[in-house]
Amino acid sequence: EAAVTQSPRNKVTVTGGNVTLSCRQTNSHNYMYWYRQDTGHGLRLIHYSYGAGNLQIGDVPDGYKATRTTQEDFFLLLELASPSQTSLYFCASSVTDNNQAPLFGEGTRLSVL
Amino acid sequence: KTQVEQSPQSLVVRQGENCVLQCNYSVTPDNHLRWFKQDTGKGLVSLTVLVHENDKTSNGRYSATLDKDAKHSTLHITATLLDDTATYICVVGDRGSALGRLHFGAGTQLIVIP
Repeated sequence: EAAVTQSPRNKVTVTGGNVTLSCRQTNSHNYMYWYRQDTGHGLRLIHYSYGAGNLQIGDVPDGYKATRTTQEDFFLLLELASPSQTSLYFCASSVTDNNQAPLFGEGTRLSVL
Repeated sequence: KTQVEQSPQSLVVRQGENCVLQCNYSVTPDNHLRWFKQDTGKGLVSLTVLVHENDKTSNGRYSATLDKDAKHSTLHITATLLDDTATYICVVGDRGSALGRLHFGAGTQLIVIP
């Protein structure tokens, strides 16, 4: 069954902390994405990748790094977390054809105190 | 600047009633438009996709229309159920491949009450 699994589901850290969010997909999809969702805004693209070792910059990349270690695994790194990064983070995967729906994980809620 | 606007922001209906959600956008080009359902604390799940001018789709109690000239889409939910309580998100893709961008609306929060 197609799936996108995120971990952890919830994370609390302090300002300046180091956080890694993990995403694994078992769909054999080439593309993987990290989004953040904030109240009053649509999902905003942070980083994405079209294959292992590839990384593309999204629309709101400042303060975030990402790494795609394998076809299945995509990580989002916050090396010096700030309160403005408190958000709900979603990972998604898709095939090349955008007319097929991307599949989303269930989200990671991050709080930076 | 927000390129995908959804209305209303929130909506309360009684179980069994019908409702209509609106999506207006300024994304160009507009290759396709997709509606997602997001249950509280969950990820987005695709309901339907519209691709062509004046497309209409139907998926059970959900039906959608697209007017590319007016850059406008509607999502109709008939005979609402309590499980329809969710946020409905309109997304416009500017290309037919993943090389394009997806532009997300902020969503309409639908609450269905008994």
